[in-house]
Formats: sequence, structure tokens, C-alpha cells
Amino acid sequence: QQQVKQSPQSLIVQKGGISIINCAYENTAFDYFPWYQQFPGKGPALLIAIRPDVSEKKEGRFTISFNKSAKQFSLHIMDSQPGDSATYFCAANQVRNYQLIWGAGTKLIIKP
Amino acid sequence: NAGVTQTPKFQVLKTGQSMTLQCAQDMNHNSMYWYRQDPGMGLRLIYYSASEGTTDKGEVPNGYNVSRLNKREFSLRLESAAPSQTSVYFCASRPAGGRPDTQYFGPGTRLTVL
Repeated sequence: QQQVKQSPQSLIVQKGGISIINCAYENTAFDYFPWYQQFPGKGPALLIAIRPDVSEKKEGRFTISFNKSAKQFSLHIMDSQPGDSATYFCAANQVRNYQLIWGAGTKLIIKP
Repeated sequence: NAGVTQTPKFQVLKTGQSMTLQCAQDMNHNSMYWYRQDPGMGLRLIYYSASEGTTDKGEVPNGYNVSRLNKREFSLRLESAAPSQTSVYFCASRPAGGRPDTQYFGPGTRLTVL
């Protein structure tokens, strides 16, 4: 039933490397694709988002790449830092009811 | 501003007990949500309230009830807790007229049902 599939489940990256998390969606009636970041013991917080009419959005070290034809989008973290260690969730906002459909999450660990 | 607050932070219940999780936001947001978070399953919507006085079921409403007491407060009640309801519960809110994908989350309530 899950309409947003996220991979990998966990990821270990060396400090300074590039972290890449992928998501795929199955329904075309979405209008925003956000990424949320969650630190242990905290609630998720919006990190960056993209609309489907844009192929790429960059904010600092964080970039979303969006492939509408493939129904895929990904988060790239450049120059990954230990402070980026967190769980990342992709999501898709349904047009019909403004509800977010969430991916399963990726636990990212950046090794110093 | 405190943002979204949730009480309690932790709770242990025995099967069959009832409890209410409290959520309040001081950002004058219209929409409020209750999610549960389980390992490997992301966040699943239990109930939401688009505005004061309205509530609707989400993806996993069975075993839960909600009350939108006023614009600030949205509570989640477990009438007869079951071990399957062991989870971390998050409340979130969203402003009217803002981007629909932007939700503000509380710190969560970790619930264990024995």
C-alpha cells in the first residue's frame, strides 16, 4: 500500500563524502516532495522540498534531484558531516487532501 | 514560542488500560495531525484535523479516538491499549495558507504497552 518507497534503509558515509538517498513514488497526484530530517529523540523537521516541475533544487550542501518520467527523486548531501547523522524521510504531498505520504526512512551515519 | 508540545514524553501501559496523549501548538495553525512512527514503516497518519471542530481518519485510525478541543489543542485517546499500539506518537501542525508539505512536529511520546 505504501506509495513512496525509500532506499537504502541505512547508510554509512565517511566525513566529507556524498550521501545519496533515493525515493520512488507510484501515484502522480502529488504536488510537493519534501525531505524531513529527524535527530534521535526529536520530531522530524522539514529540510528541503521540491515541486515536480523542477528537476533540481539546492540549499547549501543539500540537493534534491527529481526525475518526473521515472517517478523518482533523491537527496544528495555533499561534504557530509558528523552533524548530518540522522534519519531522513522522503514524503509526497497528496493534492486531493494535503496529506503527506511518507517513505520508511533512512538512518544515515557519517563516520569522522 | 514553544511550537508544538506533547505530554507525556514516556508512558508504559498494561493491555486494556486507557490513556490520552496531549498536544498543543502556539503558532495559530489550523491543521493538526497525529502520527505513529514504527521502525521501518515511516510515519503513518492516525487522525487529522483540518480546522477547529473537524476531525478525519487517516491511514491507521483503529483503536484510537481524537478530540480537537480548540484551535490550540488536539488530543489522542487510546480506549483499550494493545501491545500493537506500542510506538512513538508524534503530533504535528500546519498553518493555513502555507505550503501544504510543511508540517511542524512535536518531540513525540514514546508509548509501551505490556
